[in-house]
Amino acid sequence: AQSVTQLDSHVSVSEGTPVLLRCNYSSSYSPSLFWYVQHPNKGLQLLLKYTSAATLVKGINGFEAEFKKSETSFHLTKPSAHMSDAAEYFCVVSDLPGGGADGLTFGKGTHLIIQP
Amino acid sequence: SQTIHQWPATLVQPVGSPLSLECTVEGTSNPNLYWYRQAAGRGLQLLFYSVGIGQISSEVPQNLSASRPQDRQFILSSKKLLLSDSGFYLCAWKVSGNTIYFGEGSWLTVV
Repeated sequence: AQSVTQLDSHVSVSEGTPVLLRCNYSSSYSPSLFWYVQHPNKGLQLLLKYTSAATLVKGINGFEAEFKKSETSFHLTKPSAHMSDAAEYFCVVSDLPGGGADGLTFGKGTHLIIQP
Repeated sequence: SQTIHQWPATLVQPVGSPLSLECTVEGTSNPNLYWYRQAAGRGLQLLFYSVGIGQISSEVPQNLSASRPQDRQFILSSKKLLLSDSGFYLCAWKVSGNTIYFGEGSWLTVV
């Protein structure tokens, strides 16, 4: 069984300051991990993914995440927040290599607020 | 490159009316296709998935059904909508590996 916990339902930062969105997971196997971003009334866009290669993963829009197996974490960071980063962020885990069902477990999301 | 189209983007329907949401994928063959629902303030719930034409698996019992009449077409339907069917519906696809890509979503409000 697998699970995902996004530790903060809301995060508020000032424009230009660092962003940290926290995610912890549990998985019976070697997981793949994803971060998706959802802007209001839009679909989910893939930010980045970890699939057992480099533990520090760089994504789009300046975001990156580090896979830490010992801490079972996959936190999302960005050095300097931009107003356009305001959105909902989902951490997702998969421990299935493929198959029919999506094999995904979604976190409940973190709402990122950017203060001017 | 692959693209996914989902429509209509917004829909307001009375209770008891039928529903049809359509999704098509371009630029790929034989994708796995998915319908999710996202209720306000909540995470995503997988409703249906399909690994091929005419092959539909339901993840949760409900008032909705899905069909896949063509390789890259996935339709979400209901014969009679309930108030509880309101929400944001997302179509998604994947081919190899486990990375899923989402459409833009459809807002359904049942009144």
